[in-house]
Amino acid sequence: DIVMTQSPASLAVSLGERATINCKSSQSVLYNSYNKLAWYQQKPGQPPKLLIYWAATRESGVPDRFSGSGSGTDFTLTISSLQAEDVAVYYCQQSYSVPCTFGQGTRLEIK
Amino acid sequence: EVQVVESGGGLVQPGGSLKLSCAVSGFTFSDSAVHWVRQVSGKGLEWVGRIRTKASSYATAYAASVTGRFTISRDDSKNTAYLQMNSLKIEDTAVYYCTRLSPGVAFDYWGQGALVTVSS
Repeated sequence: DIVMTQSPASLAVSLGERATINCKSSQSVLYNSYNKLAWYQQKPGQPPKLLIYWAATRESGVPDRFSGSGSGTDFTLTISSLQAEDVAVYYCQQSYSVPCTFGQGTRLEIK
Repeated sequence: EVQVVESGGGLVQPGGSLKLSCAVSGFTFSDSAVHWVRQVSGKGLEWVGRIRTKASSYATAYAASVTGRFTISRDDSKNTAYLQMNSLKIEDTAVYYCTRLSPGVAFDYWGQGALVTVSS
């Protein structure tokens, strides 16, 4: 199984500042030039919401302050200017192989 | 508008069975692989299993923790997927989400989840 490891486990950032979350996979998730890596945002009492797929493609309707980068085994989710509504838990997930695995989550709070 | 609605959750005793349904609308269900993901209260997301499309022979795959106990099926004529859960354990207590694997190979549409509680 591919193990997804996120860091940090929790993060506190001031409003308007940059937030960076890292995700490392135990093996490459690159397939035919596409990284099968997605990022999700989950707020309390809600299902996860897809933010980024193919490691760097923003889902329709997602604000452009959210961006994804990385390839192979190392990935990053960046929120360029933190807004109050961005408080949530963020997960990375690979769909390169089953079982599709998620990172353990990163809790993002306002400092 | 896309809708994904899970139903069938509830309280069941250890060793019992429960069948969840996932009814969808707003996209071509028969062209989409369906996955189930669960979440224990206050914890992270755990992939449960998936069923592919007819073109992929309705192939299924499961997490090791549920293999042999859970079965995923689908009825494309009803735009509905199912999760049959047998020999339930206390540790299966969770919210179960149904989701679609998009062409972008990510889970784009999610239901609100069905709560399954396994307790005596």
